Amino acid sequence: AQTVTQSQPEMSVQEAETVTLSCTYDTSESNYYLFWYKQPPSRQMILVIRQEAYKQQNATENRFSVNFQKAAKSFSLKISDSQLGDTAMYFCAFMKFNAGNMLTFGGGTRLMVKP
Amino acid sequence: DAGVIQSPRHEVTEMGQEVTLRCKPISGHNSLFWYRQTMMRGLELLIYFNNNVPIDDSGMPEDRFSAKMPNASFSTLKIQPSEPRDSAVYFCASSLRLAGVNEQFFGPGTRLTVL
Repeated sequence: AQTVTQSQPEMSVQEAETVTLSCTYDTSESNYYLFWYKQPPSRQMILVIRQEAYKQQNATENRFSVNFQKAAKSFSLKISDSQLGDTAMYFCAFMKFNAGNMLTFGGGTRLMVKP
Repeated sequence: DAGVIQSPRHEVTEMGQEVTLRCKPISGHNSLFWYRQTMMRGLELLIYFNNNVPIDDSGMPEDRFSAKMPNASFSTLKIQPSEPRDSAVYFCASSLRLAGVNEQFFGPGTRLTVL
């Protein structure tokens, strides 16, 4: 079974600064996908970014980028130029390749962006 | 597309009552997932369907919980009888199961309170 660990229950950052959220996972699979989801106070789960394990290049989506270290089983999320609207819970998630699209979530990190 | 639709958005009931949560997946999607979110346990997968067939219900906590998907556009999660410890936010998500990365799209959730 896969496990996903987010070791930072809460973090805060000043507006316009950069913050990095950590995620580690444990799996014996070689092919898989990793995701970061954002859950703002509205509760809606929003996909932020995804990474295919077979790709060496780190994924980037505007101000969001990841640092994917496959050997270390680490998948951190970097948010640049933080905005007040980035305040939310962030969940790291793991999906096995070709296994019914099932997601295993980490416990989440609550991010507060301060003005 | 309207996205994944869940109803009701909020439900307050008394212990012992039957509760039915409803979900309409995104049109064309063939996989559907029910999750439960609590402070103590985070996001847990309860059950998922592929082509209306339950594939994995190992996350369903007890026999009091049951889920059905009578057709491709509708699913229900029923709790009977409900208990205070069932209070949580219940999410439904859908995806299109194809080769490659298959993102899950989440509904807005149903906040259930059992008194």
